[in-house]
Order: sequence, then C-alpha cells, then structure tokens
Amino acid sequence: SAVISQKPSRDICQRGTSLTIQCQVDSQVTMMFWYRQQPGQSLTLIATANQGSEATYESGFVIDKFPISRPNLTFSTLTVSNMSPEDSSIYLCSVGRVASEGEQFFGPGTRLTVL
Amino acid sequence: AQSVAQPEDQVKVAEGNPLTVKCTYSVSGNPYLFWYVQYPNRGLQFLLKYITGDNLVKGSYGFEAEFNKSQTSFHLKKPSALVSDSALYFCAVRDTLTGGGNKLTFGTGTQLKVEL
Repeated sequence: SAVISQKPSRDICQRGTSLTIQCQVDSQVTMMFWYRQQPGQSLTLIATANQGSEATYESGFVIDKFPISRPNLTFSTLTVSNMSPEDSSIYLCSVGRVASEGEQFFGPGTRLTVL
Repeated sequence: AQSVAQPEDQVKVAEGNPLTVKCTYSVSGNPYLFWYVQYPNRGLQFLLKYITGDNLVKGSYGFEAEFNKSQTSFHLKKPSALVSDSALYFCAVRDTLTGGGNKLTFGTGTQLKVEL
C-alpha cells in the first residue's frame, strides 16, 4: 500500500475564507480521490482528481466551491472556497491503481472547523 | 446505482466473544466488496476485500468476511474480539458493471465497542 500524507492535519478557519489541503503520495498512482466525512456521517465522494485535466465532480459538488488540482501522479490539492460552518468536516484523500481491484488507501484526513 | 447498508449503528460485544458487523449491498453487476476501519482521529485503514473466488476472505488483525450472493451480504467477523478492535467500521462496494472507474460507495458505518 502507498504512504499518504495530508497537510494540514487540522485547521480552524473563519467564514468566507478558503483553505487548500494538500495530499502527497510516496509512489505514482493512477487514481486520486477526495472525500468529505461530516461529523458522525459516512464518507461522500467529492471528486476524482485527474492528472493534467479537470477533476470529475460528483453530484452536489462543483468546481467553484471545491477546486482541485493534480499536477502529477503523486500530488493533489483540494481547496474549500468561501467557507461556511456547514463545510466543517474531515476531508480525506485516497489513492488507487487502475490495475488493482478497486481498493483505495486513505490519507489521515484534514479536520476542518469553520467558525 | 450501487448502494451499501449497515443496519446497525453500534455493536457491543464482550472481549473474547465472537463479533459480527453486518453489511448488505446492491449493485447492477458483480460486486467488489471492502471493509475499512477508522480509529478516532485517524484515516480509514483497509481491512479486506472480496473480488471473486472463495466466499470467506481473511484480512488484517484476524478479521474475516463472508460473501453471500443470495443474501447480497458481506458480514465482517472475528472469532475473538479485543478491546483494541473498538472503532468505526465501514463497508464499501464497487459495481463492476457500471464502469465508474474505482468509485466506491460507503455504508454509514458501525461503531464497534468491545467491553471487558
């Protein structure tokens, strides 16, 4: 499995500001994903981060609110824009390989609190 | 569309007793099934998966899961629970028919509490 790190591990932000979360993998991977886990809830897929092209967003998530970059096969960022208290969640990145049978490996998560 | 149900929000067992965490799924084609565990303030850790073959799959930390196609279930089991197994467990499914890449759909999670 890959070793995945996320920065920051946690943050407290003010309403209306933006936060960029970084995800770094120790090896090249084909698939990278961003999830949101709201307090006491399951994981919801935000988008698939595509290397060198626009991310693929799930229903209910838009690029203006959650812009994603993936400049290479080991790094991605997720920005949470114009934050409100409803954005308080844990944000997780995960990775997978197309050649694998679908399992994903997760980073430690970023705990975001919006005041 | 693919979906996963974990009917129990919480499961309590005594240490040393067997444990079962339930999961049922719905897919259009054949499922790939996964179990993950989440400890407090940590990310998800992969436990085991079912792709094909033997219906009983073994994973990390002594956990196993049984795939039952007729009941569309994939229950997580362990013969003897430890207090350290207390955590949040997620079942996930990938539908091999829809071709949605590696997209996983997660259940709502089951909090396992193992008591002395």
